[in-house]
Amino acid sequence: DGGITQSPKYLFRKEGQNVTLSCEQNLNHDAMYWYRQDPGQGLRLIYYSQIVNDFQKGDIAEGYSVSREKKESFPLTVTSAQKNPTAFYLCATGRVWDSPLHFGNGTRLTVT
Amino acid sequence: SQELEQSPQSLIVQEGKNLTINCTSSKTLYGLYWYKQKYGEGLIFLMMLQKGGEEKSHEKITAKLDEKKQQSSLHITASQPSHAGIYLCGAPLQGAQKLVFGQGTRLTINP
Repeated sequence: DGGITQSPKYLFRKEGQNVTLSCEQNLNHDAMYWYRQDPGQGLRLIYYSQIVNDFQKGDIAEGYSVSREKKESFPLTVTSAQKNPTAFYLCATGRVWDSPLHFGNGTRLTVT
Repeated sequence: SQELEQSPQSLIVQEGKNLTINCTSSKTLYGLYWYKQKYGEGLIFLMMLQKGGEEKSHEKITAKLDEKKQQSSLHITASQPSHAGIYLCGAPLQGAQKLVFGQGTRLTINP
């Protein structure tokens, strides 16, 4: 079955450590997205990539980094520079204008 | 920048009652998506609206986009416990390949 997979589902880290969240898709879409969700704030765009080896900053990119070496993969690194990293992170893929984005099941990151 | 405002932010209804969630844009919408989310899970696509005045229904959920394409509503008829969750509207930014989202509406269904 085609789909989009995020791993792990839960992630715990100590403050000051970088952590990488995985996102893999086999839907053959060019574009991939990372969103952050905090209670009562909906989804906010962190980074997105429309093609391999290219990506753009979203609204809240500070403290995050991404890479897009393969069409299927778009990992997100939460660096120690991110001041409030504890959140629910969602990855998505698809074409924005004429079809819905497909979302992964999310990774809940807790930093203490 | 374009923003989407959802109302209400939270809604508690008795099972069997009807309800409406609204999504309002500061600019013309070039498409509007409705998603549902269970707590701690990903988003499930419900409906997509693209034309002014468009209305779509699936089971007991109806979504509409007004003629001016600046407001959408999601209406649930005879609500059931399975309708509980967070409902989010999302729209593409003009000239950009990305979606912006409203802040979500948390729906609770009381038996």
